[in-house]
This record gives sequence, structure tokens and C-alpha cells, in this order.
Amino acid sequence: TQLLEQSPQFLSIQEGENLTVYCNSSSVFSSLQWYRQEPGEGPVLLVTVVTGGEVKKLKRLTFQFGDARKDSSLHITAAQPGDTGLYLCAGAKYGGATNKLIFGTGTLLAVQP
Amino acid sequence: DTEVTQTPKHLVMGMTNKKSLKCEQHMGHRAMYWYKQKAKKPPELMFVYSYEKLSINESVPSRFSPECPNSSLLNLHLHALQPEDSALYLCASSHPARNTGELFFGEGSRLTVL
Repeated sequence: TQLLEQSPQFLSIQEGENLTVYCNSSSVFSSLQWYRQEPGEGPVLLVTVVTGGEVKKLKRLTFQFGDARKDSSLHITAAQPGDTGLYLCAGAKYGGATNKLIFGTGTLLAVQP
Repeated sequence: DTEVTQTPKHLVMGMTNKKSLKCEQHMGHRAMYWYKQKAKKPPELMFVYSYEKLSINESVPSRFSPECPNSSLLNLHLHALQPEDSALYLCASSHPARNTGELFFGEGSRLTVL
């Protein structure tokens, strides 16, 4: 069974703090995505990383793909209440015409004003 | 705004009812998915359609019956559900030629089985 373990599971911080979410696996993935899901909504794609060691920045969010393409991290600088939500990493393997993602276990982030 | 539209947004049904969830996308994606999600948990894959053909069924009970009438539409027919089937049902689509795996999700249909 391929598993993507995320840590921490839950995180409650004050506005302005920094945080890092980790996504780890023993499997190699061809790409990895990060999604954010707000209550009552579907997950929204934040970023896709493809190359080992790749770093992508999206405003205050920094995403890194591990050199061996087995793990990833999401760092948020100066968190804001609007960052609150469920953060999901998802790994993909090359598989033909369909994309069967392996979702991580999720990290629930609450940013208090 | 999401480009994957799901209806209804909320559905309450009894265990003997028959209902359907609907999903529509106009992005030209040829792969469509149904996921089930319990509160604060990751989505669980149920079905995948590729070019209107069922390509993956993750051992889902037969009380859930998917249908893909054309490349833009995906339905999930529900019959004789159990209370434990109450969940958020998410539809997603992807472009099969892009093997980086990105999914575009709808906002979901919140199902309550009484």
C-alpha cells in the first residue's frame, strides 16, 4: 500500500506565525501536488512539483520536492486567517490516460486572528 | 470559480430512496472522477472514467452506480444507501494527456442518508 503521511495532522497558530507541513512517503512519485480545501468546498490545486529538488513559490507559500521525489514540504510565511483549511498533498505516478493520485493524510490548519 | 459544476449541493435521502448526483465540466477534459470524503479526511477514490469508459472501480458497493453519458457529464446514481454513506461526494476532471496528475474538483455534493 502506498501511503503519503502528512505532519502535523492539526495545527493551530496565530496570525503572523510561520509554519511548515511535511508530506512523506517511501514511494517515488513522478509529480506531487498540493491542494487546499476550505470547509464546504472542493480541494483547489495550489502547485505541482515535478523535478527532484524543485522549489516553487506562490506568494507567501513555498513548496519543495525532495531530491529523491519521495517527499515534499509546504512552508507558509506570516500566516493569515485566509490560509485556514485542510492542506492535502497528492502524489502521482505515470499511469496512462488516467491520473490515480495518492492523497496524503491531510493537515488541518487554523490561523487565529 | 470552479469549472467543474456539481448538483445538487446538498441532498438528504432515506435508505429506500433513489437519487442521482450530477457533474459537468466544459474544459475538454477526458478523464472524470468520483471521490468520497468524510469530514477532515482526504478524498477516497471511487470511480474513474477515461474517454467515457469506466477505467477504475475501487471496489465500490453496487448501491453506487456511475454513468458517463458523454465527455462533459458524469453521474452517480444512488440506491439503498446506508447512513455510513453520508459524506461529501466530489467530482473531478483531468486532462489525460498531462501526466502530472492535476485534478480539478467541483465544490462537492453533501449527502446525508437518514
